[in-house]
Amino acid sequence: NAGVTQTPKFQVLKTGQSMTLQCAQDMNHEYMSWYRQDPGMGLRLIHYSVGAGITDQGEVPNGYNVSRSTTEDFPLRLLSAAPSQTSVYFCASSLTGGSNQPQHFGDGTRLSIL
Amino acid sequence: AQTVTQSQPEMSVQEAETVTLSCTYDTSENNYYLFWYKQPPSRQMILVIRQEAYKQQNATENRFSVNFQKAAKSFSLKISDSQLGDTAMYFCAFPPAGANSKLTFGKGITLSVRP
Repeated sequence: NAGVTQTPKFQVLKTGQSMTLQCAQDMNHEYMSWYRQDPGMGLRLIHYSVGAGITDQGEVPNGYNVSRSTTEDFPLRLLSAAPSQTSVYFCASSLTGGSNQPQHFGDGTRLSIL
Repeated sequence: AQTVTQSQPEMSVQEAETVTLSCTYDTSENNYYLFWYKQPPSRQMILVIRQEAYKQQNATENRFSVNFQKAAKSFSLKISDSQLGDTAMYFCAFPPAGANSKLTFGKGITLSVRP
């Protein structure tokens, strides 16, 4: 059982480049989300989805796009990378969107923008 | 705004001893859930324990237990018989009112277990 799979694990980009961080889960979870982790800041929510075809913004959505065409996949797109987006990105999923649901996290993607 | 505060950035404990990590939060809700997550050097985020505010009994998972003080809005994690593998960052997390699974995280505490 793979759980939540994120690719790539590491990536270096130049300012202005675009890229997509991939996230897939095989647990048939309805709820998926993206967080970024910066030193001294904890994890902050970027975007989330309560089901296929439904997405919404979190705390820090600027500079990021998401889509949810299938239950399994929730990619995060950086359209024009900026140094401020250097961070570790985590994808998470839960069975439903209920507040009692523990989140299952991927292993993270370390992204550096030069 | 819902907030989660972890005021101790770093802590250290001797192997086999007990340590308590503090967390306070702010909410106007009456029933909610609180979580502690562990992030070892491998970077994985691992659920340690979950507490339902409606339950008066403190949650326990093996060596990990919670001291939940609802009136004080305090949610501390106690680790008994600390082991080297407990070395990690620990995050307190809390879903804001009406926010379903959207978690607000504290800034984390770095715990070092000394041999």
